[in-house]
Amino acid sequence: GAVVSQHPSRVICKSGTSVKIECRSLDFQATTMFWYRQFPKQSLMLMATSNEGSKATYEQGVEKDKFLINHASLTLSTLTVTSAHPEDSSFYICSARKQGATEAFFGQGTRLTVV
Amino acid sequence: KNQVEQSPQSLIILEGKNCTLQCNYTVSPFSNLRWYKQDTGRGPVSLTIMTFSENTKSNGRYTATLDADTKQSSLHITASQLSDSASYICVVMDSSYKLIFGSGTRLLVRP
Repeated sequence: GAVVSQHPSRVICKSGTSVKIECRSLDFQATTMFWYRQFPKQSLMLMATSNEGSKATYEQGVEKDKFLINHASLTLSTLTVTSAHPEDSSFYICSARKQGATEAFFGQGTRLTVV
Repeated sequence: KNQVEQSPQSLIILEGKNCTLQCNYTVSPFSNLRWYKQDTGRGPVSLTIMTFSENTKSNGRYTATLDADTKQSSLHITASQLSDSASYICVVMDSSYKLIFGSGTRLLVRP
C-alpha cells in the first residue's frame, strides 16, 4: 500500500519561532498533497492544497504568510508555521494523492505544542 | 451547504459486542463515501470506500452500508476488540474531489 510519512511526529517550540513539518510519499509520486489541522475532539479541517511545482491553494481563513507550504518535488511537501503562537498548537496531518487517483493517503500526523 | 453528520458522538461498548455507527450527509453531487479509523495521536486509516452504486462493503469485522437515496451510511463493527477503540470518521468526496469530514464517533471498547 501507499505510505505517507510525516516528520517530526511531535515538536515543542517557543512562541515566536518557526517550525517546519515534512510530508513524504515513500513509494509513489504525489502530484497533490493536502494539509489539515485537527483540534482536540474535532475532525480534520483542510488548511491548504498543494500541487507540485505550483503555489498552494489556501482555504478561507488560513493565513498563507503564516502557514508556508512548499511542494518542490513529487515526494515532498513542507508546512512551515512561522512566528508560532500557543493558539497554533494543534495536530497537523498531511495526505498525498497520486496523479489521476481519487484516493489520498494520510500521514501519521505531527503534534505541535507552542509554549 | 455540504455537510457530514455522525452519530453518536461517543460510544462505549463491552469487548465482543457489536455496534453500528451512523453517518448522514447532504453532499451533492457525490463521488464516494469513506470510513476512516483514527487512533489517538495518529493519522486516519482507510477502512472502506464506496461509490454511488455500492450498497455494502466489508473489510474484516467492519461492514459499511450506503443508501444513496436517503444519503445515509453506517459502519457496523462485529465482535469488537480492545484495539477497535478509536475515532471513526465518515468522509464524503464531492464531484470536485474535495473531502468533507464528519466530526467522528469516539468508540471505547472496554474489557
